[in-house]
Amino acid sequence: QITLKESGPTLVKPTQTLTLTCTFSGFSLSTSGVGVGWIRQPPGKALEWLALIYWDDDKRYSPSLKSRLTITKDTSKNQVVLTMTNMDPVDTATYYCAHRGIAAAGYFDYWGQGTLVTVSS
Amino acid sequence: EIVLTQSPATLSLSPGERATLSCRASQSVSSYLAWYQQKPGQAPRLLIYDASNRATGIPARFSGSGSGTDFTLTISSLEPEDFAVYYCQQRSNWPLFGPGTKVDIK
Repeated sequence: QITLKESGPTLVKPTQTLTLTCTFSGFSLSTSGVGVGWIRQPPGKALEWLALIYWDDDKRYSPSLKSRLTITKDTSKNQVVLTMTNMDPVDTATYYCAHRGIAAAGYFDYWGQGTLVTVSS
Repeated sequence: EIVLTQSPATLSLSPGERATLSCRASQSVSSYLAWYQQKPGQAPRLLIYDASNRATGIPARFSGSGSGTDFTLTISSLEPEDFAVYYCQQRSNWPLFGPGTKVDIK
């Protein structure tokens, strides 16, 4: 059974750096083809993909946010960490991590429950 | 840069009716397109991948079609639990989601 759970601060101040952790179980991020991604959703708005890390440590970032994002993995801890610098109120959103599966041809087939991050002074 | 558009923005239907949702890409994404369902307060759920393949556990009333730039999600007969927002997503270059279609009760 694959599960993912996001953790991190619920409130950050403008200009601060956000660090979110995705802790997962039921799969290994050392298995060929597997990845973990981060997706966010501002209140009442659409989904926006942020970053993706693969089993081989290949990393991909949203072109519009690339300069602000860093994604890393700790395979031994079953964790993926996303950092986003220079936070702004427009970054207020629910942040999801998701499993990029092999069986589902590389789409996000399992999602965490999401964590709401508010950016406010 | 690929852009996804979804239409209509809102679809008002009654239970038992057929729903047809459209996703159009600004350039070809081959068959690299998925559909997700999202209910209020919940994470998205993968319904269809590679344009026409149902994900594990997805009922047969959900079907997908299309290739290239035009894709369709069809719900053959709406159940009460199907009223939700539906997003398409392409993975041709990097993951990109469409703006969504809300299916609400007429």
